[in-house]
Amino acid sequence: NAGVTQTPKFQVLKTGQSMTLQCAQDMNHEYMSWYRQDPGMGLRLIHYSVGAGITDQGEVPNGYNVSRSTTEDFPLRLLSAAPSQTSVYFCASRAGNQPQHFGDGTRLSIL
Amino acid sequence: EDQVTQSPEALRLQEGESSSLNCSYTVSGLRGLFWYRQDPGKGPEFLFTLYSAGEEKEKERLKATLTKKESFLHITAPKPEDSATYLCAVLDTPSDYKLSFGAGTTVTVRA
Repeated sequence: NAGVTQTPKFQVLKTGQSMTLQCAQDMNHEYMSWYRQDPGMGLRLIHYSVGAGITDQGEVPNGYNVSRSTTEDFPLRLLSAAPSQTSVYFCASRAGNQPQHFGDGTRLSIL
Repeated sequence: EDQVTQSPEALRLQEGESSSLNCSYTVSGLRGLFWYRQDPGKGPEFLFTLYSAGEEKEKERLKATLTKKESFLHITAPKPEDSATYLCAVLDTPSDYKLSFGAGTTVTVRA
């Protein structure tokens, strides 16, 4: 049982480049979320989904896009990378009011 | 808006020195309060869920309790391997699409 799988684990980008962070879960969870974690800021919600085909913005959505074509996958796209997007990104999933499961994160540096 | 405040920000303990972490919260209708442990370079790992005031959960040296306004994570006779950042999160009825996280308490246990 893999849980929540994120790829890549590390990435370095140049300002203005675009990329997609991948997230997959094998627990048939309806809720999926993307967070960024910065020192002293805690976990901040970027985008979330309550099911396939349904997504919405969280607290810090600017500069990011998401889609959810299947229950399993929830990719996060950086449209034009900026140094302010240097962070650790976590994908998570859960069912109803059950505990949320997290991936191991993607460490992203924007030069 | 949901608010979750954790204190202290950091806690340094000697091995065997018991202590407590606090998570105070403001919600409209609590659907669940969650404690997570996060090790450096890893995603948050689920510890406990508490659903109603008066509830307690226990696992090894950790015990979580819940009142209507706050939760405590008690660490009894800690060992160096208990060193981690402990995160508290709440799920609120009006906004049950997302968990609201506190900033965390970083615990360091010295041998």
